[in-house]
Amino acid sequence: TQLLEQSPQFLSIQEGENLTVYCNSSSVFSSLQWYRQEPGEGPVLLVTVVTGGEVKKLKRLTFQFGDARKDSSLHITAAQPGDTGLYLCAGTIQGAQKLVFGQGTRLTINP
Amino acid sequence: DVKVTQSSRYLVKRTGEKVFLECVQDMDHENMFWYRQDPGLGLRLIYFSYDVKMKEKGDIPEGYSVSREKKERFSLILESASTNQTSMYLCASSLGGSDGFSYEQYFGPGTRLTVT
Repeated sequence: TQLLEQSPQFLSIQEGENLTVYCNSSSVFSSLQWYRQEPGEGPVLLVTVVTGGEVKKLKRLTFQFGDARKDSSLHITAAQPGDTGLYLCAGTIQGAQKLVFGQGTRLTINP
Repeated sequence: DVKVTQSSRYLVKRTGEKVFLECVQDMDHENMFWYRQDPGLGLRLIYFSYDVKMKEKGDIPEGYSVSREKKERFSLILESASTNQTSMYLCASSLGGSDGFSYEQYFGPGTRLTVT
């Protein structure tokens, strides 16, 4: 059973479109991170959110942490081919010395 | 420029062989981690270490062991490789402390291991 469920697992859209990726759990997280991984490389941190309801923006990327700290979303506006990659959410479960990862969302932006 | 390096990008081993995967970080980080990454399963934690000579089991430690003799180096050992250990192996490091898992993890490029 996956503690963090990401959806969709695959997404292929045209350049210029908007998209949202979701990361859901029944567990409460003390913090949640989003990483992007490109082929042949390790994941690279995009953002960390720690407060319920928190919204962070990174250029065209908007990250939100749910009020109950059980879910998160990543919204990309006007997607570009450079956004192509595997997006991973990862959370620290309250009371546990552990970082758990979602399965990932493989995003392809077509020119 | 911070760096986590892994000894090999690609490795092919035979069933039953002993396999060593090496990871080195140059950031003086206390925490180091070994994950395996499989399609549809994300990253799963094998072992982690929060100090020299210290190690803790992750979610899937069976069939693996680790060694951390120096702060900058964390080794993953497959005592007797099996085909179900064919995977991408990722090493990571982060700052330590009681909330060490909330800190950014810096990953190496990964080692794609194939066991035949």
